[in-house]
Amino acid sequence: GQQVMQIPQYQHVQEGEDFTTYCNSSTTLSNIQWYKQRPGGHPVFLIQLVKSGEVKKQKRLTFQFGEAKKNSSLHITATQTTDVGTYFCAGINTGTASKLTFGTGTRLQVTL
Amino acid sequence: DVKVTQSSRYLVKRTGEKVFLECVQDMDHENMFWYRQDPGLGLRLIYFSYDVKMKEKGDIPEGYSVSREKKERFSLILESASTNQTSMYLCASGALYGYTFGSGTRLTVV
Repeated sequence: GQQVMQIPQYQHVQEGEDFTTYCNSSTTLSNIQWYKQRPGGHPVFLIQLVKSGEVKKQKRLTFQFGEAKKNSSLHITATQTTDVGTYFCAGINTGTASKLTFGTGTRLQVTL
Repeated sequence: DVKVTQSSRYLVKRTGEKVFLECVQDMDHENMFWYRQDPGLGLRLIYFSYDVKMKEKGDIPEGYSVSREKKERFSLILESASTNQTSMYLCASGALYGYTFGSGTRLTVV
């Protein structure tokens, strides 16, 4: 079945440093979504990417979808303590309607 | 905003009990999903439903069943709870444009 892997599993940064998490799918995706889960909370939808090579920005967050539509990345510039949480990518496999397969997640810790 | 409500935040059940986890959404979404979340394993899909009375198995359906008698309600059933089903259970509603998750039910089976 489809597998979606994320690296790193965990990253600890100082506030102000940049952070990147990478997402790789074993199959081609029709789209990819990103979610953030704060400690003790539930996943919250951030963004969706659909087109090959697409890049979207949300303030300090930059999302990219690979040309082959099998990988994606989330980059945070100048992290803040409010960025703490686990970031999940989730892909919809071509032909499986709206069933998302989630990545394993990257837990981000930010300290002052 | 879409609201997805899970009936219990915390549950403690005994091994062998039949357990019902309830989920209600208020935005008339056709698609609803049940995931379980365990440390290091991310979110794994148990079952999902595209419409009333429709259900499909996800990646880890063993030991679970579901019921969707009304569009807004999707129930997860543990037929005979076991300790390896101790987990956080998350219900979601939505479609291609992003899921909305409930707050989760942390189930402990003793």
